[in-house]
Amino acid sequence: DQQVKQNSPSLSVQEGRISILNCDYTNSMFDYFLWYKKYPAEGPTFLISISSIKDKNEDGRFTVFLNKSAKHLSLHIVPSQPGDSAVYFCAASPAGGTSYGKLTFGQGTILTVHP
Amino acid sequence: EAQVTQNPRYLITVTGKKLTVTCSQNMNHEYMSWYRQDPGLGLRQIYYSMNVEVTDKGDVPEGYKVSRKEKRNFPLILESPSPNQTSLYFCASRSQGLNEQFFGPGTRLTVL
Repeated sequence: DQQVKQNSPSLSVQEGRISILNCDYTNSMFDYFLWYKKYPAEGPTFLISISSIKDKNEDGRFTVFLNKSAKHLSLHIVPSQPGDSAVYFCAASPAGGTSYGKLTFGQGTILTVHP
Repeated sequence: EAQVTQNPRYLITVTGKKLTVTCSQNMNHEYMSWYRQDPGLGLRQIYYSMNVEVTDKGDVPEGYKVSRKEKRNFPLILESPSPNQTSLYFCASRSQGLNEQFFGPGTRLTVL
């Protein structure tokens, strides 16, 4: 039973445009959400997080939106750059804030940004 | 250099032959975790540890064991490997209170 779902296996975007990656979850106990980026042959790197008490968190070109009632979050990248091409994973934890231990990941979305 | 190391990087073994994948970090991180990555399933957490002698199950702990006797080491043990444990395994660590997880380079395991 996949508790965190990324229903789009891939996304293709033109350089300079907005990339929107989506993530849905089913477990109402999830309280803290993170996005990771992964290049081939490397481990994932942390991008941005959001607590369930917020509906938006911004860090440079990256913004995460959380709709708790819909159990949906999205990552917006504006403007998209070719170097953003990677696999993006969303992850969720039942713990509030950075004290989390257990972490459930989605299947990942492959983002390709064309020059 | 701050890093997470895993050994071996590649391993081909046979069903039932016990194996251990080692993980070590030199950043004095409290939190360590093991994940497996499979096509179409993404990353799945196997076990995690919040500190020495404190471990707990992730989403897919069956068939695996861990121990955390020292802060820097978090080995993953497969007592009786089976073909469905063929996967890419990542170890990770982070400091409590911070989000950034440092991942190891991965261990590609094939169980025949």
